[in-house]
Amino acid sequence: EVQMVESGGGLVKPGGSLRLSCAASGFIFSSYNMNWVRQAPGKGLEWVSSISGSSTYMYYADSVKGRFTISRDNAKNSLYLQMNSLRAEDTAVYYCARSDLGDNSAYSHYWGQGTLVTVSS
Amino acid sequence: EIVLTQSAGTLSLSPGERATLSCRASQSVSSNYLAWYQQKPGQAPRLLIYAASSRATGIPDRFSGSGSGTDFTLTISRLEPEDFAVYYCQQYGSSPRTFGQGTKVEIK
Repeated sequence: EVQMVESGGGLVKPGGSLRLSCAASGFIFSSYNMNWVRQAPGKGLEWVSSISGSSTYMYYADSVKGRFTISRDNAKNSLYLQMNSLRAEDTAVYYCARSDLGDNSAYSHYWGQGTLVTVSS
Repeated sequence: EIVLTQSAGTLSLSPGERATLSCRASQSVSSNYLAWYQQKPGQAPRLLIYAASSRATGIPDRFSGSGSGTDFTLTISRLEPEDFAVYYCQQYGSSPRTFGQGTKVEIK
């Protein structure tokens, strides 16, 4: 069974940093592109970042470019999101999601349950 | 950046009715790389449709997707009680991989 479990969310002050983790299981992790998608309270979905299976390609939303860094450790079946210079508008549930195989499959097929990040003083 | 506009914020329909949800892109979506997701309160989104018209594994055939270029549609042929939820479109043909703002399908 494909499963992703996010962790690392919490309360952080503006300007602070946080590192989110996503533990994946039930599939060959290194073969799949992975994504982070967030959802502010009561709002819609916002794509944040994506990374290819071998970490060759990384993409970011303009709203987080230069502040967030996506990475993965295929030996540990884990995906990460390092978030720096956090702002109040980064407050959201952050979802880890897996794409399907192939360069034409960048949608998010399987999702974790999310981890809440709250940026507030 | 491709902006996706889901024209109806809320659709009020009855069980058994047909639901037609629209998603319009500000420019052509590369290779019709458009997906639809369903989200219920307190849950993660669920993939329904990818490549504009391909149903994801395990998705009932009452859900169908159509369209190309800049205009896409998700159709639910006969609404079941469990279909009342929020639906999002997403284009994944170019970065950033933008979402529409969502359409809520509520019980009339």
